Amino acid sequence: NAGVTQTPKFQVLKTGQSMTLQCAQDMNHNSMYWYRQDPGMGLRLIYYSASEGTTDKGEVPNGYNVSRLNKREFSLRLESAAPSQTSVYFCASRWGFEQFFGPGTRLTVL
Amino acid sequence: DAKTTQPNSMESNEEEPVHLPCNHSTISGTDYIHWYRQLPSQGPEYVIHGLTSNVNNRMASLAIAEDRKSSTLILHRATLRDAAVYYCILRDNTGNQFYFGTGTSLTVIP
Repeated sequence: NAGVTQTPKFQVLKTGQSMTLQCAQDMNHNSMYWYRQDPGMGLRLIYYSASEGTTDKGEVPNGYNVSRLNKREFSLRLESAAPSQTSVYFCASRWGFEQFFGPGTRLTVL
Repeated sequence: DAKTTQPNSMESNEEEPVHLPCNHSTISGTDYIHWYRQLPSQGPEYVIHGLTSNVNNRMASLAIAEDRKSSTLILHRATLRDAAVYYCILRDNTGNQFYFGTGTSLTVIP
């Protein structure tokens, strides 16, 4: 099992550009999550999907959209990137009480 | 406002016990207390969780105050591989909203 995979690992954007961060899990989990982690801080929840076909906002959803494409895949889209969205983005899936995290995507917006 | 507060950093000698404190004075009756740790350049990984009673697993123990406004993660014998940032997290009763604190960076001294 690969667990939770994320692509790309690194990305540099210019202000106003758009991009989609990809996340996939092969553990057949229903729930999936997107977090952001700013320097020296804990993770903050952007969006989550409790099951295929549903998505809900977390603490910091502004400037982002998500798509739960199927049970395996949950993507995060930045329509018009801003420097304030420079961060490390983590995807996770959940089984019971435990979340399993991917390795992260480091995004820089210039 | 942060839901959990932790010391920024702590040090421990190798093979000695470590007590990592966390305050969560605004915890609600249905919030679970989770602990995750994050190694450099990786996503967080689950350590332990509990609701009211103290909990033990192969990695650590969790001591929860009687009023549930604080908790302590106990590593019984610190090893160099335990050097990480430890996050105290409140999880709501839906299982989908995880509120991370800013974490404690643990240094283990050989």
